[in-house]
Amino acid sequence: DTEVTQTPKHLVMGMTNKKSLKCEQHMGHRAMYWYKQKAKKPPELMFVYSYEKLSINESVPSRFSPECPNSSLLNLHLHALQPEDSALYLCASSQTILRGVTEAFFGQGTRLTVV
Amino acid sequence: GIQVEQSPPDLILQEGANSTLRCNFSDSVNNLQWFHQNPWGQLINLFYIPSGTKQNGRLSATTVATERYSLLYISSSQTTDSGVYFCAVSKAAGNKLTFGGGTRVLVKP
Repeated sequence: DTEVTQTPKHLVMGMTNKKSLKCEQHMGHRAMYWYKQKAKKPPELMFVYSYEKLSINESVPSRFSPECPNSSLLNLHLHALQPEDSALYLCASSQTILRGVTEAFFGQGTRLTVV
Repeated sequence: GIQVEQSPPDLILQEGANSTLRCNFSDSVNNLQWFHQNPWGQLINLFYIPSGTKQNGRLSATTVATERYSLLYISSSQTTDSGVYFCAVSKAAGNKLTFGGGTRVLVKP
């Protein structure tokens, strides 16, 4: 099974709302990622977790707060977002990053609209 | 950081045609993947190919790591091959997967 599951698939939220995106994998992978993708652009890395610890934060604004409660789950907490944060948010996992990223698998994404 | 360039940016094909997509990268890598992004946004793994040649049905890929490029071949294209093809790489000591700009493919019936 090479499945990464993201929920919800679609999310509309107001600028004062708090919401969370969820990502789950059961492949025993120890590296998990959040990417953001705007229309007609490639995915851009936001965060990397390795063995449940935050390894990379690509200077993401604090209104995005990642959390890795265990090796199978990755959350992205959203608060006070702006309309320009509307995008496709992709979660990915790979076995490890100890000697570079091994084969990564992506979820189907959450399409977020901020109104 | 590592630079990844894909060409061409756009490709229009008649159904049944063959095509080659290219990915150039600026540094040595230990991971190179090709993805197909469908209209719903899902990134589908096509190949994990840091070096060598692989084939999967009508698709094949070759990575020449010493010359820092990879090629994706699509043969006998079908309308379902339409979408965006991304190349993504990671350096041996790196812990991030960096994407190229993508090639947008449209296969016409």
